Amino acid sequence: DGGITQSPKYLFRKEGQNVTLSCEQNLNHDAMYWYRQDPGQGLRLIYYSQIVNDFQKGDIAEGYSVSREKKESFPLTVTSAQKNPTAFYLCASSSSGLSYNEQFFGPGTRLTVL
Amino acid sequence: AQKVTQAQTEISVVEKEDVTLDCVYETRDTTYYLFWYKQPPSGELVFLIRRNSFDEQNEISGRYSWNFQKSTSSFNFTITASQVVDSAVYFCALPSTSGTYKYIFGTGTRLKVLA
Repeated sequence: DGGITQSPKYLFRKEGQNVTLSCEQNLNHDAMYWYRQDPGQGLRLIYYSQIVNDFQKGDIAEGYSVSREKKESFPLTVTSAQKNPTAFYLCASSSSGLSYNEQFFGPGTRLTVL
Repeated sequence: AQKVTQAQTEISVVEKEDVTLDCVYETRDTTYYLFWYKQPPSGELVFLIRRNSFDEQNEISGRYSWNFQKSTSSFNFTITASQVVDSAVYFCALPSTSGTYKYIFGTGTRLKVLA
């Protein structure tokens, strides 16, 4: 079945550590996104990528980094520079980045800083 | 600036009641799209519907219906005869004019359907 997978489902990090969240899609979609969700809030865009080897900062990119070396993969690294990384992280993709395309979401990764 | 407002933070209903989730948006675009997504307790957002600004006809899909009114900038979502499985957080979203790749999401409405 086509879809988006994220791993791990739960992740615990010590302060000062970098961690990488995985996102893989087999939908052959060009565009991929990372969102952060905090309790009681909507989704905030961290980074997005329209095509391979290209990505753009979203609204809250500070303390995060991404890569897009393959069409199907868009990993997110949460660096030690991110002051408050505890949150629920969602990866999404769409066939293109055009506004009429719906986004497909993965199951999310819940990151907790100890 | 574009904005999506979901003023209802949380709604509780008893099973079989009808419930309407409100979404009010702001945009300067003359052509745009609006979306509704459902986020069940598992966490994964699920696409429900897309509506373009040219089409103001109400949409019905089973127990779900959507009322789009450009005059009031609203795109409301009604669930008829609610069921416990409808319990979720529902998000309204509007693609941003500052870039075709960015969505503006509302803060979501948590719906609790009690048995």
